[in-house]
Amino acid sequence: ILNVEQSPQSLHVQEGDSTNFTCSFPSSNFYALHWYRWETAKSPEALFVMTLNGDEKKKGRISATLNTKEGYSYLYIKGSQPEDSATYLCAFIPGGGADGLTFGKGTHLIIQP
Amino acid sequence: ETGVTQSPTHLIKTRGQQVTLRCSSQSGHNTVSWYQQALGQGPQFIFQYYREEENGRGNFPPRFSGLQFPNYSSELNVNALELDDSALYLCASSLGRESSYNSPLHFGNGTRLTVT
Repeated sequence: ILNVEQSPQSLHVQEGDSTNFTCSFPSSNFYALHWYRWETAKSPEALFVMTLNGDEKKKGRISATLNTKEGYSYLYIKGSQPEDSATYLCAFIPGGGADGLTFGKGTHLIIQP
Repeated sequence: ETGVTQSPTHLIKTRGQQVTLRCSSQSGHNTVSWYQQALGQGPQFIFQYYREEENGRGNFPPRFSGLQFPNYSSELNVNALELDDSALYLCASSLGRESSYNSPLHFGNGTRLTVT
């Protein structure tokens, strides 16, 4: 059974502050890592797909890094805005890819004005 | 571009009954996967279909079955419903069997199933 851990479970951040959270996954047999943002009453929306050790991806104020050797990825949000409030999910895909995505439980982010 | 749509949005069933959930893929996508999200958990992979054939399955019993149609829409069927089947069921589409793992999934809004 694959174990994908996300921390913290929830996070309250003041508007304008920067924040980051972690996704830990098995370091062996890595294929890809996905990040999704899931706002209330909407569908999960893809942020990043990361496949190479050392990958860094950026989308506006959000960026992510990947370390496949030690089995972690960080998601960073710079200058948080109220619209960043959402649950952020990471999902690990092992080599072969036949078993679908294994998701963590998510980090629930609340931006306080 | 039409996104992923799921129906119904909410459903209440009794233990022992059968249920069918439906999903229309995003235009141009030929791969569809289903996920179950129980309360307090991350989404769990049920199975994936590529060009009408199942090509991956998670740790779910055989009473969870699916279909994909020639237009790439899909159904999830659950027989002999149990209380623990109460969850949000998400459908996601992508393009290509292998590339679905290094290209993002496009999710629907989900179907909330309650089993009483």
